Formats: sequence, structure tokens, C-alpha cells
Amino acid sequence: SQQGEEDPQALSIQEGENATMNCSYKTSINNLQWYRQNSGRGLVHLILIRSNEREKHSGRLRVTLDTSKKSSSLLITASRAADTASYFCATDLQKSSGDKLTFGTGTRLAVRP
Amino acid sequence: DTAVSQTPKYLVTQMGNDKSIKCEQNLGHDTMYWYKQDSKKFLKIMFSYNNKELIINETVPNRFSPKSPDKAHLNLHINSLELGDSAVYFCASSPSGNTEAFFGQGTRLTVV
Repeated sequence: SQQGEEDPQALSIQEGENATMNCSYKTSINNLQWYRQNSGRGLVHLILIRSNEREKHSGRLRVTLDTSKKSSSLLITASRAADTASYFCATDLQKSSGDKLTFGTGTRLAVRP
Repeated sequence: DTAVSQTPKYLVTQMGNDKSIKCEQNLGHDTMYWYKQDSKKFLKIMFSYNNKELIINETVPNRFSPKSPDKAHLNLHINSLELGDSAVYFCASSPSGNTEAFFGQGTRLTVV
């Protein structure tokens, strides 16, 4: 089964508004990462938060991690039309066999100009 | 300069054919991966190589065979293509499994 489940599956907001996406996972992790995928393109790394961190910022992005609830959220403030994309969380699992990221199902974000 | 490049970008082929997708990274990373993204955008790892050595082989049919001639290249060969193989295949690399992965632009494979 999938490690990450994201919520909502799709989100439509007006430019300038904030967008919040959530990710839940099932097993213990080393770190959790967020990626963006524009239509027809590859994934681009946005931010990494380690299991011993609770919050991290990068520009207009804010990520929180709650390991007790096995959940993370990505907040994009003052959204722009260019933020329209799919956003994925990815977990680097503890005790995994080898190095791999396990991706969530993604949230499709549409920012209306 | 493209960091992770894969070719071709689009591949349309008939069932039963054999095809290859090539991937190269110029980042000096030790680990390379192949991921498959299906029509619902679900992304699943297929293989992971570290310094030319196979580390991860998820439950992928043995029609799929990765080959790593050196640590900068990880190619994917697919035999006897089936309709269900239609997907976007992404190559990625990372300095190690605990840091960010850099993805190629993807190869959209359509089997007809």
C-alpha cells in the first residue's frame, strides 16, 4: 500500500490566497520531502524536513511535521499563478531496504489569476 | 546544462516490441533510480542503483532490466512490451538516499 496519502486531492484557489496541503504516512521516517511537478515535467525538490524537526521555511513555503500523528503539511503563502502544479510528499523510511523515496498520491493545485 | 537527462522524451511502440530508455546524470551522484508514474499520477520506485550496483528491485516484472555501465548512467530495457506498461518513466539521482532526488524530464511510453 502507499506510504503517503495526500489531502486534498485537488485544490483551487485565487491568486494571493494561501494554499495548504496535507500528507499522512504510516511508518517511521528519517525525513520527509515535498516535490512539485508541473504538467508534463519532472519532479522538482522543494524542501526536506528531518524527523527531529517540527517546522521549516523556504521563501513562501512553510512545512510542518508531526511525527506523533505521522503527518506533514505544506503551506504556500501569497500564491501565484505559477504555483499551479501537482505537489507530492515523499518519505525516506527508517529500516527500508536500500535508499528510496516513497511518494504520496499528490495534490493538484490550481491558482486562478 | 541538464543535470539528469533521459531519452527519448516520447516513445510510441507496438505490443511485443523491445525498447530502451537511457538516463545520464552529470551531478556526480552515487545513487540512481527509475520510477514509474501511472495515469493517476501515482509514482512508484522500480529500481535503485548505488555505484553501479543494484540496491532495490521492487516487484517489477523481469521483462524490465536496468543496466548501469557506470555510475553516471542507468538505462532501462523493456522486453515484450505490454499495454499496461504505458506510463511515464522517470530517472532520478541523489548523492545518497537520505537527501533530495533530482529527476529527469520523464519518458512518456505509449504501447499500442
